[in-house]
Amino acid sequence: DIQMTQSPSSLSASVGDRVTITCRASQDISNFLAWFQQKPGKPPRSLIYAASTLENGVPSRFSGSGSGTDFTLTINSLRPDDFATYFCQHYYTYPPTFGGGTTVEMK
Amino acid sequence: QVQLQESGPGLVKPSGTLSLTCAVSGASIRGSYWWTWVRQSPGKGLEWIGQIYHDGNSNYNPSLNNRLTMSVDESQNQFSLNLISVTAADTALYYCVCAPGYCGSGRCYSLFRYWGQGTLVAVSS
Repeated sequence: DIQMTQSPSSLSASVGDRVTITCRASQDISNFLAWFQQKPGKPPRSLIYAASTLENGVPSRFSGSGSGTDFTLTINSLRPDDFATYFCQHYYTYPPTFGGGTTVEMK
Repeated sequence: QVQLQESGPGLVKPSGTLSLTCAVSGASIRGSYWWTWVRQSPGKGLEWIGQIYHDGNSNYNPSLNNRLTMSVDESQNQFSLNLISVTAADTALYYCVCAPGYCGSGRCYSLFRYWGQGTLVAVSS
C-alpha cells in the first residue's frame, strides 16, 4: 500500500494566519491526491482533488499544490470556520489510503 | 443534492457479522458512481474498506482478508456491506460514500465526494 504521511500532526494558528500542511506519498502518485476537512462529529468534506482543483463551493482561500510525492494544502487568511482536521488521500491505485491528519487549533 | 444514510446494528459480537446498509437519495444507484465504504477509528484513522459499482464490479481492501462482501439493491436505491468474523479491531465509525467515477491521465479512479453522517459500530461481547 502507498503510505501517506502528513506533517505536522497539529498546529496552532490565529484567525488571519496563513497555514500550510504537507503530505508526502511513499511513491509517485502523480497528481492523484485529494484533501478533506473534518470537524468533530461530522464526516470528512472534500475540498480539493487532482492535487489543486477546488471542489464546488470551497472558498478560494484554500489551495493545493504538488505532484509526484510531495503536496501541500494552504489556507490563506484563516477563518474561524477553518479550525478543523485536514486529511490527504491518494487515489492513484488500490487501495486508496489517507494521511493521519493535521489538526488546526486556535492559538 | 446527494444524501446518504447508514443503518445497522451498533453492537456486534466478536466472530459475528457486521451488516450495514446505505440508503441513497438524490442520485441513482445506477449512475456513474462507485458506492464506497470508509471507516474511521482512533487507532487506524481513515481506512478505505471497499467499493461497488451498480453492475456488481467491486474492489475490496486486501487488508480485510476476504471477510468482506458488498452488494447493490437497485430496487431500493441502496447498497450494503457484510463483514464476517469481526474482532475488536473492526470497531469504528463506518461511513458510506458516493464516489463519482472518472477516467483520465491513463487511469480510472473515484472521488470521495458525498459522505453519509456515519454510524458507530462496536464489536464487543
